[in-house]
Amino acid sequence: GAGVSQTPSNKVTEKGKYVELRCDPISGHTALYWYRQSLGQGPEFLIYFQGTGAADDSGLPNDRFFAVRPEGSVSTLKIQRTERGDSAVYLCASSLQTSGRIEQFFGPGTRLTVL
Amino acid sequence: GIQVEQSPPDLILQEGANSTLRCNFSDSVNNLQWFHQNPWGQLINLFYIPSGTKQNGRLSATTVATERYSLLYISSSQTTDSGVYFCAATGNQFYFGTGTSLTVIP
Repeated sequence: GAGVSQTPSNKVTEKGKYVELRCDPISGHTALYWYRQSLGQGPEFLIYFQGTGAADDSGLPNDRFFAVRPEGSVSTLKIQRTERGDSAVYLCASSLQTSGRIEQFFGPGTRLTVL
Repeated sequence: GIQVEQSPPDLILQEGANSTLRCNFSDSVNNLQWFHQNPWGQLINLFYIPSGTKQNGRLSATTVATERYSLLYISSSQTTDSGVYFCAATGNQFYFGTGTSLTVIP
């Protein structure tokens, strides 16, 4: 079946602009996660959805970052007033969540470059 | 939060050699996964292994939850094994290690 998909694959924007990154999880997966990966680092947790609600948004770096999942499937990560330090690969993952088992499957990522 | 440390940070192998990658975590975890990040950046699932031992072809993994570590074994390495290997642990939140960068030379 189809895996996690993310669009766009690359996004170049100018400092101060607004961007939206989209994630389509694996069909039937109730949990969805956003991570950010900088060069040479491991992915860093941003936010986790269980269904439509954000179960844990403690990884969002500041209030310029916001994410939604209005129908419990597709999610959009929104970044306002982008800064050069926001440049990174943004990864999305999804999982079933059965009896505490969380096995995450990742999309290919969106490479964001802020000029 | 949980600290996840991986060793070694870098590893260069001759094709055909075996290797062991280690992941230490600072607290008890409910879930543990190993991933291979290929040169295009895709994270590929290798093992879901919160405890015990699993094998898949030339790869195997062992997690000793009571001692807070996991090992990934790669046997008869191939050039296609090159890339970065991550372990990821979940307790109440989600934590990745900093990875082991593996280069397999022909």
